[in-house]
Amino acid sequence: KAGVTQTPRYLIKTRGQQVTLSCSPISGHRSVSWYQQTPGQGLQFLFEYFSETQRNKGNFPGRFSGRQFSNSRSEMNVSTLELGDSALYLCASSPLPLGLPLNEQFFGPGTRLTVL
Amino acid sequence: QQQVKQSPQSLIVQKGGISIINCAYENTAFDYFPWYQQFPGKGPALLIAIRPDVSEKKEGRFTISFNKSAKQFSLHIMDSQPGDSATYFCAASGPGGGADGLTFGKGTHLIIQP
Repeated sequence: KAGVTQTPRYLIKTRGQQVTLSCSPISGHRSVSWYQQTPGQGLQFLFEYFSETQRNKGNFPGRFSGRQFSNSRSEMNVSTLELGDSALYLCASSPLPLGLPLNEQFFGPGTRLTVL
Repeated sequence: QQQVKQSPQSLIVQKGGISIINCAYENTAFDYFPWYQQFPGKGPALLIAIRPDVSEKKEGRFTISFNKSAKQFSLHIMDSQPGDSATYFCAASGPGGGADGLTFGKGTHLIIQP
């Protein structure tokens, strides 16, 4: 079974631009979560989508948004990029919504975003 | 605020030795405690996980010890090998529709010296 895939793997943008990242979960998984990883803050939860609906959202500004399609693929969008948005953005898929028992999350390789 | 505190930040262990990484949490509603292993350029990979109804779980050379009353859990890597050199993250999550995803520790950079 193929793992979680993320595209692109690397991205360079300038301040003020917007960016869209893509995630394809493991086949059969309907929950997709997004995390931001930085050296200073570590891994931080952005939001979770299940059945095309955002269920949970972390403490990030409204510039960070996402959506999920009927095939469970998800996209994350960041508008008006700031230097501090430079990070590794990780997508994780799980078969069930977050918070349910015996629900494991499997991570993709991430998208490395650099904002200049 | 939900937090998971992880220590040490970095760890050097000789090949064949035991690597021990500790985590402490605050939120008693947490009911799932996974450990992830991350190599450079890769996403975190689920290593082993435990729920609070057991005090220990072992999978191969990896063991989680869980102390519910102290709100602490730890990862033990027995017979540590150079291939175990990676960054390890503990995490925790809770039940309910308001779950905030996984709350991660800051990570431990483990180096196994040959």
